[in-house]
Amino acid sequence: GDSVTQMEGPVTLSEEAFLTINCTYTATGYPSLFWYVQYPGEGLQLLLKATKADDKGSNKGFEATYRKETTSFHLEKGSVQVSDSAVYFCALSDIQGAQKLVFGQGTRLTINP
Amino acid sequence: EPEVTQTPSHQVTQMGQEVILRCVPISNHLYFYWYRQILGQKVEFLVSFYNNEISEKSEIFDDQFSVERPDGSNFTLKIRSTKLEDSAMYFCASSVGQGYQQFFGPGTRLTVL
Repeated sequence: GDSVTQMEGPVTLSEEAFLTINCTYTATGYPSLFWYVQYPGEGLQLLLKATKADDKGSNKGFEATYRKETTSFHLEKGSVQVSDSAVYFCALSDIQGAQKLVFGQGTRLTINP
Repeated sequence: EPEVTQTPSHQVTQMGQEVILRCVPISNHLYFYWYRQILGQKVEFLVSFYNNEISEKSEIFDDQFSVERPDGSNFTLKIRSTKLEDSAMYFCASSVGQGYQQFFGPGTRLTVL
């Protein structure tokens, strides 16, 4: 079945550092790809998405490009802030049925001042 | 901004007891979902619900689980006889339609003793 593999965490960076969180997927069709973020005590929030190959999703300085040839959707940000500390989940949704989300295991990011 | 709410935030129960987790989806949404995350593991899809019936369910969603939309606002997940391995964070989500963004609640942490 469909699956998502994320970079192992936790990840600790200093403020203003460059961030990459790797995500690769396995899918039988052409899924939509997502990054969700979970801040402490809150639910999962959609950070960005891409629905077809070569699409770039972006939001709040984060971006990720749907790479069909490498089946990847890596999350990047050029200069992280303390407020970016959270757990980040890569996910895909199938194109059939109710389009459930298939998640990666999550990566905990901590940014130190 | 409308949001999905879940109650309780934390539920502790004895093995073999029944629990009901409650969710209030966003009011104009038509698709409803339950996911769970066992500590340290991936967020996993349990079930999707549309038009008062289950549209898709995972292998995890066995006869011990049931979902219901008892009125126009609530969406519940019932576990009939809890097991230790049911201990997890349970997330409810809703979307306005098939293929649209899923909005997540903050989760209910279920602890089975």
